[in-house]
Amino acid sequence: ETGVTQSPTHLIKTRGQQVTLRCSSQSGHNTVSWYQQALGQGPQFIFQYYREEENGRGNFPPRFSGLQFPNYSSELNVNALELDDSALYLCAASLGRGDTGELFFGEGSRLTVL
Amino acid sequence: QKEVEQNSGPLSVPEGAIASLNCTYSDRGSQSFFWYRQYSGKSPELIMFIYSNGDKEDGRFTAQLNKASQYVSLLIRDSQPSDSATYLCAVNIEYGNKLVFGAGTILRVKS
Repeated sequence: ETGVTQSPTHLIKTRGQQVTLRCSSQSGHNTVSWYQQALGQGPQFIFQYYREEENGRGNFPPRFSGLQFPNYSSELNVNALELDDSALYLCAASLGRGDTGELFFGEGSRLTVL
Repeated sequence: QKEVEQNSGPLSVPEGAIASLNCTYSDRGSQSFFWYRQYSGKSPELIMFIYSNGDKEDGRFTAQLNKASQYVSLLIRDSQPSDSATYLCAVNIEYGNKLVFGAGTILRVKS
């Protein structure tokens, strides 16, 4: 039990639609990262938020955007959904901007794009 | 593009044996290396990290790092069926817990 909660757990969208995924941390970890994990692959870094600002971004297009709120919860928004966006989206909380590599993952939101 | 390579497996070992999982990385400047375990249908969890060349032991787990060869490994001694999972090798992209993960190695421990 990591204390990181994601919603929804599963959702189905059609190509071109928009989706919002949510993440909250009970433990007060102030840094939130989002990862995309396609089937049979490792998680890919999308972006990280620290103190409500984006603090690093992976190789994802601008239609992937995010927010972090004062209570450290976060949202991932994906516009103009494509079939290849079908994946498990993982939220990971960590404390500060340290380098321990200790990410506390939520159970993920599985997105299917038809 | 910083990359992490792992053999996808599956790696099958009998119960009680040593499981050896390997990983190579492309960025010679990488400083921090991590092993995560992911059970089927679950999210990854950190099991080991290593920063310096050599071995680091934690219970049944030993992480090994060779920066000259850009090689990281994880040894699991006395493997148990409960160790059956996907093992993900990860490297920091830059300071601040931004990780590049390999595709993972599936480990199966047979009783």
